[in-house]
Amino acid sequence: NAGVTQTPKFRVLKTGQSMTLLCAQDMNHEYMYWYRQDPGMGLRLIHYSVGEGTTAKGEVPDGYNVSRLKKQNFLLGLESAAPSQTSVYFCASSYPQGVGNTEAFFGQGTRLTVV
Amino acid sequence: GQQLNQSPQSMFIQEGEDVSMNCTSSSIFNTWLWYKQDPGEGPVLLIALYKAGELTSNGRLTAQFGITRKDSFLNISASIPSDVGIYFCAGQLGYGNKLVFGAGTILRVKS
Repeated sequence: NAGVTQTPKFRVLKTGQSMTLLCAQDMNHEYMYWYRQDPGMGLRLIHYSVGEGTTAKGEVPDGYNVSRLKKQNFLLGLESAAPSQTSVYFCASSYPQGVGNTEAFFGQGTRLTVV
Repeated sequence: GQQLNQSPQSMFIQEGEDVSMNCTSSSIFNTWLWYKQDPGEGPVLLIALYKAGELTSNGRLTAQFGITRKDSFLNISASIPSDVGIYFCAGQLGYGNKLVFGAGTILRVKS
């Protein structure tokens, strides 16, 4: 059971380049999340999805787009990378509350550096 | 911005000491979760709380869901070196709502 898998694990981008981070979960979870983690800032929610075909903005959505075309996948896109997007990105998934457990399970993270 | 206030921001304690950290919120949460993050890894769930007043233990860890539903604490008894890491609280407002995380407590243990 792989849980939550993120690819890639590391990436260096030049300013202005685009890229897509992939998150895949095999737990049949409805909810999926993208967070960024910066020193002293904890985990800040970028975007999330409560089901296939739906997405919503979190705390820090600017500069990012997401898509949830399949229930098991949640993609995070950077159209034009900026140095301020240098961070560690975490994907997570969970069941919705009221349907068994609601704990979010996390991937191992993607360390992105924008130069 | 974040709705959870987690304290302390960091702790440096002696091995064998007990540790306590807490989270408070201006909003009522229906679920409180506590996570630990080791360096280079994603957060891993330690304890989940679903009812106001609930007290739950997991080995040396004990967490409680505050009666007001606006706070939670985590205690670690007899700390050991492998307890080092960042501890996060997280709350969920309810069905269809996202998880909100605290800023984390960095725990360092002197052996």
